[in-house]
Amino acid sequence: DIQMTQSPSSLSAYVGDRVTITCRASQSIGTYLTWFHQKPGKAPQLLIYAASTLQSGVPSRFSGSGSGTDFTLTISSLQPEDSATYYCQQSDSTPYTFGQGTKLEIK
Amino acid sequence: EVQLVESGGGLVQPGRSLRLSCAGSGFTFDDFAMHWVRQAPGQGLEWVSGISWNRVFIGYADSVKGRFTISRDNAKNSLYLQMNSLRAEDTAFYYCAKGSTTIRRGFIVNWGQGTLVTVSS
Repeated sequence: DIQMTQSPSSLSAYVGDRVTITCRASQSIGTYLTWFHQKPGKAPQLLIYAASTLQSGVPSRFSGSGSGTDFTLTISSLQPEDSATYYCQQSDSTPYTFGQGTKLEIK
Repeated sequence: EVQLVESGGGLVQPGRSLRLSCAGSGFTFDDFAMHWVRQAPGQGLEWVSGISWNRVFIGYADSVKGRFTISRDNAKNSLYLQMNSLRAEDTAFYYCAKGSTTIRRGFIVNWGQGTLVTVSS
């Protein structure tokens, strides 16, 4: 199975900060990488698919990059509503494993 | 608007069975792959199973292989998860999710609100 490792596990940042979350795959997955965020008590929501394609309706401050084994999610200017847990998921091969999550808090 | 409504969760004893259902609306159900994803309370997400629109491709997590069976009835716009030989570690919120048109190298687009399965004696 492909292992997905996110870093950091948690972080705290100020409104307006640029924030980067990293996701590393245990083997190459091309660009078959999706990012979600999840707020407490809610279902996850799609942010980015195919490593860098922004889902319709998602603010442009979110961006994704990477291919192969190393991927990043960047929030260019952090907003209060971005407080959530962020997950990456690979869909190159089953089982379609998730990273362990990154909890993002606003200072 | 895409809607996914799960049902069938509840309290079940270890070793017993449970069947989850998911009713989809607001989209052409038989055009899309579908998935089940679970989340133990306070924990991260775990992909459980996925099925292509035509049932040709089905995949499972190692942790449920041989115990869980995914199926779909496109005429009823419904997705199912038959869970047998349940264990305490299967306790989780189970989310129904709509995928992209392809399951192989596709991605999850929409999520239901989840149904809680508790396995305990």
